[in-house]
Amino acid sequence: DTAVSQTPKYLVTQMGNDKSIKCEQNLGHDTMYWYKQDSKKFLKIMFSYNNKELIINETVPNRFSPKSPDKAHLNLHINSLELGDSAVYFCASSQDYPGLGNEKLFFGSGTQLSVL
Amino acid sequence: DAKTTQPNSMESNEEEPVHLPCNHSTISGTDYIHWYRQLPSQGPEYVIHGLTSNVNNRMASLAIAEDRKSSTLILHRATLRDAAVYYCILYRQTGANNLFFGTGTRLTVIP
Repeated sequence: DTAVSQTPKYLVTQMGNDKSIKCEQNLGHDTMYWYKQDSKKFLKIMFSYNNKELIINETVPNRFSPKSPDKAHLNLHINSLELGDSAVYFCASSQDYPGLGNEKLFFGSGTQLSVL
Repeated sequence: DAKTTQPNSMESNEEEPVHLPCNHSTISGTDYIHWYRQLPSQGPEYVIHGLTSNVNNRMASLAIAEDRKSSTLILHRATLRDAAVYYCILYRQTGANNLFFGTGTRLTVIP
């Protein structure tokens, strides 16, 4: 069983469209995250949720809206897609509340978003 | 974010030990040292972490210098499956997740 699964794996779309990426974890973790890996391979946090509550919201355009229907799911909806949104998006989860310093993150295999 | 410095790339022969260095001269007392690795087309995978003492787990060992300004990830016997980008990250107890993955070290394992 895949611990953290995200769909789709590849997403190709036109500028201006709205799209969603889904993420589910079966580890029983309380915290979930979205990370973005840009073309230079830097991986940076976008959002984190703990028990369906938003904990971290980094400087991300408000076109990006995370939604957590329950603690096992954290979906990412992106409105009015722009060329610069092209990247690989990773979902992750951890057992502990974010920011303790010693929590281990478990990552999904990523969604490659290409905006044309 | 506290900075780490790693070599861009390293090579190792299969079944030999690998020592991956990381410098973090600006580390603070509340920074944990984390290592993750990323295989091609995969998400990052947790390897090991520590605070002050050396740590061992089934994947690797982490040796932390006494002054904590550097650390070394040790893979005891490299396999072809260990070929990946290895990230050394300082994670501060700030109440917010601020794991920042830099460029890492690309490890090539030679059969």
